[in-house]
Amino acid sequence: GQQLNQSPQSMFIQEGEDVSMNCTSSSIFNTWLWYKQEPGEGPVLLIALYKAGELTSNGRLTAQFGITRKDSFLNISASIPSDVGIYFCAGGGIYKLSFGAGTTVTVRA
Amino acid sequence: EPEVTQTPSHQVTQMGQEVILRCVPISNHLYFYWYRQILGQKVEFLVSFYNNEISEKSEIFDDQFSVERPDGSNFTLKIRSTKLEDSAMYFCASRLAGGPVQAGELFFGEGSRLTVL
Repeated sequence: GQQLNQSPQSMFIQEGEDVSMNCTSSSIFNTWLWYKQEPGEGPVLLIALYKAGELTSNGRLTAQFGITRKDSFLNISASIPSDVGIYFCAGGGIYKLSFGAGTTVTVRA
Repeated sequence: EPEVTQTPSHQVTQMGQEVILRCVPISNHLYFYWYRQILGQKVEFLVSFYNNEISEKSEIFDDQFSVERPDGSNFTLKIRSTKLEDSAMYFCASRLAGGPVQAGELFFGEGSRLTVL
């Protein structure tokens, strides 16, 4: 299957700090998506990217679709306690999404 | 807001037993998926389903697994003879086909936790 490398694996951040995570792949994707998952729940879509180079914001979240179509990053600005969770990148092909391994974000108050 | 619903939320079964997990996708969606997530690991693709047939399946989706859309609303995943390593959270997802805006967006259910003893 298509492998996505997501980093960092985990991070502890101070409330108010900016957070950055990224995903890279050896495969080209048509779509990059970022999901957040909280314990016991399914992934919830945060941002969807459809064009190479696209930069999209959703509140304090900003994500970009890399020009090579093989990478994407997600930034969270001014983190707050409710940002805690696991963030997954996902690359979209024709029939499925392939997920990264996730970045666990823990916020220190 | 429309959502994907899954039942049961948690099922405990004995090894070797058959399990059926049920999903009701969003009503106007046309592509359906099953993913699984072993505790603490990433979400893994199992199978996609479109137009009443499997579009793609992963190597995890072996002969013990099957999917079915028995009526206009339900989408089921059957595991014929469960193994210990089938213990995981199983997520159903659906998406609306067509158009670049909707094409990549999967909407996930809250998952069915399967525990095989």
